[in-house]
Amino acid sequence: QLRLQESGPGVVKSSQTLSLTCAVSGGSVSSGDYSWTWIRQPQEKGLEWIGVISHSGGTYYNPSLKSRVTISVDKAKNQISLNLYSVTAADTAVYYCARFNTGRGHADFDYWGRGTLVTVSS
Amino acid sequence: DIVMTQSPLSLPVTPGEPASISCWSSQSLLNSNGYNYLNWYLQKPGQSPQLLIYVGSSRASGVPDRFSGSGSGTDFTLKISRVEAEDVGIYYCMHTLQSPYTFGQGTRLEIK
Repeated sequence: QLRLQESGPGVVKSSQTLSLTCAVSGGSVSSGDYSWTWIRQPQEKGLEWIGVISHSGGTYYNPSLKSRVTISVDKAKNQISLNLYSVTAADTAVYYCARFNTGRGHADFDYWGRGTLVTVSS
Repeated sequence: DIVMTQSPLSLPVTPGEPASISCWSSQSLLNSNGYNYLNWYLQKPGQSPQLLIYVGSSRASGVPDRFSGSGSGTDFTLKISRVEAEDVGIYYCMHTLQSPYTFGQGTRLEIK
């Protein structure tokens, strides 16, 4: 069974960099039919897609965050990373990583982590 | 960006009764491969979202058959044939046709 586990600091100071990792177990980040994605959810609000990285390392980012975000993959550690630069209070949210199934007949986020709350403090 | 719109935003339902949620996209989600790149998720209280329906009408693994998805192009519907107490939560539609992927506002289903 695939499992995704987000981790990182629960509090980040304003203007600093938010760095999270997503450890993948029960599967490989190198699998050809899958990409890996980050989504966030401010408290009591809806879901916002952040960006995606393919098994080969290609990335797409939400234009609303593009200038401040990078997603990378560490195949040796079997994990995905998110860096969000110059954070403000508006970046306070629960951050989820998920697997993006791009196999035949699929285009969906089929496995999600439990999420990690990041609070930006002043 | 493709805008996703859901209705209703709040849905009180009596157990055993059917429920229906609509989702519209600002442009067609029908890919050249014949699939509609529209997915449905349920976020139960205190949990991460879980996939219910993918490519418009395919049920995800382990999802009860009381859940069904339909529609094509810009109009989609999620139906629950007989609502159960465990179906409480927020339902989201989401497209994956092109970046940026966007979600609907969410529909909160509650039990009467």
